Amino acid sequence: DSGVTQTPKHLITATGQRVTLRCSPRSGDLSVYWYQQSLDQGLQFLIQYYNGEERAKGNILERFSAQQFPDLHSELNLSSLELGDSALYFCASSAGITGVGGTEAFFGQGTRLTVV
Amino acid sequence: AQKITQTQPGMFVQEKEAVTLDCTYDTSDQSYGLFWYKQPSSGEMIFLIYQGSYDEQNATEGRYSLNFQKARKSANLVISASQLGDSAMYFCAMREGARNTPLVFGKGTRLSVIA
Repeated sequence: DSGVTQTPKHLITATGQRVTLRCSPRSGDLSVYWYQQSLDQGLQFLIQYYNGEERAKGNILERFSAQQFPDLHSELNLSSLELGDSALYFCASSAGITGVGGTEAFFGQGTRLTVV
Repeated sequence: AQKITQTQPGMFVQEKEAVTLDCTYDTSDQSYGLFWYKQPSSGEMIFLIYQGSYDEQNATEGRYSLNFQKARKSANLVISASQLGDSAMYFCAMREGARNTPLVFGKGTRLSVIA
């Protein structure tokens, strides 16, 4: 168990709909990352939050947004869903600033989103 | 340009044999970290091993070791005494700098262990 909790584990929804994925990081971890894993794209970084503030942005679509709350949990909102958004969405967390190359990120179990 | 390159889409290894999964990286930073993760068919991402750019010795964690060749910018994962449970996707990743910037992943190598 990585200590990172993601809900729900599975989600099936129709095109055009909006969903929210939730992530609780490991206790004490300040950084939360969201990744999308689809078959043809590998693991793509979407967005990072650090202690409530957006820290880095990757290939995140404008239809997608995220936030990190004061209790450090994070939500990823996906709207106007398309078939191509079907993927495994991971949340990961890591501790604060440390040595060379930072520390490892611990991943949640992922949310498998299927858009039909 | 790709930051992390894993050139082996799939590998087979006999049970109890050792196997090397290749990873090359590209960075101009002096300070970076290299990571390997395992993703079994169940889907979770499991952290295996870490190597810092200033570490002089290769990292080891149980049956996993990282063959770090800085001049060649390679960070190959060596799994000794392969087990059936090692069958999975393996991802190499890099973090540049000394802060917790996002990990950048390679496309992965699917390892199949044969009895």
